[in-house]
Amino acid sequence: DIVMTQSPLSLPVTLGQPASFSCRSTESLVHRDGSTRLHWFQQRPGQSPRRLIYDVSNRDSGVPDRFSGSGSGTDFTLKISRVEAEDVGVYYCMQGTEWPWTFGQGTKVEIK
Amino acid sequence: EVELVESGGGLVQPGGSLRLSCAGSGFMFNSYVMHWVRQAPGKGLESVAAISGSGDRTWYAKSVKGRFTISRDNSKNTLYLQMGSLRTEDMAVYYCAREYPDGSPDFRGQGTLVTVSS
Repeated sequence: DIVMTQSPLSLPVTLGQPASFSCRSTESLVHRDGSTRLHWFQQRPGQSPRRLIYDVSNRDSGVPDRFSGSGSGTDFTLKISRVEAEDVGVYYCMQGTEWPWTFGQGTKVEIK
Repeated sequence: EVELVESGGGLVQPGGSLRLSCAGSGFMFNSYVMHWVRQAPGKGLESVAAISGSGDRTWYAKSVKGRFTISRDNSKNTLYLQMGSLRTEDMAVYYCAREYPDGSPDFRGQGTLVTVSS
């Protein structure tokens, strides 16, 4: 199975400041169709996960443009340009390139 | 509006069985690969099983293979997960999800909690 490793696991941030999370995979996530199936999810406290970013850098409908994704191959990053209070929660990267889908351990974002 | 409503969770003893259901609406159910993804208390997300739109292909995580069976009834727009030989490590919230074309889950429900305890 492809292993996804996120860092840091916990990220205290100041409101209005940027935040950045890393995600690495043990194998290239380039799919046979040429896409890179690396996706990011947000899970707010007490809620189900919600997809934010698909295929490395595409924001889902309704996702604020302060969220951005980048990376390639095995190394990926999610950035929040200015953290807001509603961004508190756990962020997961996930690969959909091969079965089984695998998720990172999550990065917990909290406000300082 | 797309909806997925999970049900069937509850308390079961180790070694017992349980069947989860997921009712879909607001989309062409039989056109989507469907998944079960679980989340143990305070832990991350884990893929459990998936099934093709027609139901002729299934995939399982190694941790559940031989114990769980995923199935679907497209006439009822319903996905199932039959769980057997349950272990304490199977305790989790179970989410059903439809698969986006890009190979990621579309979570629409609140999940159903399975508690395995004597």
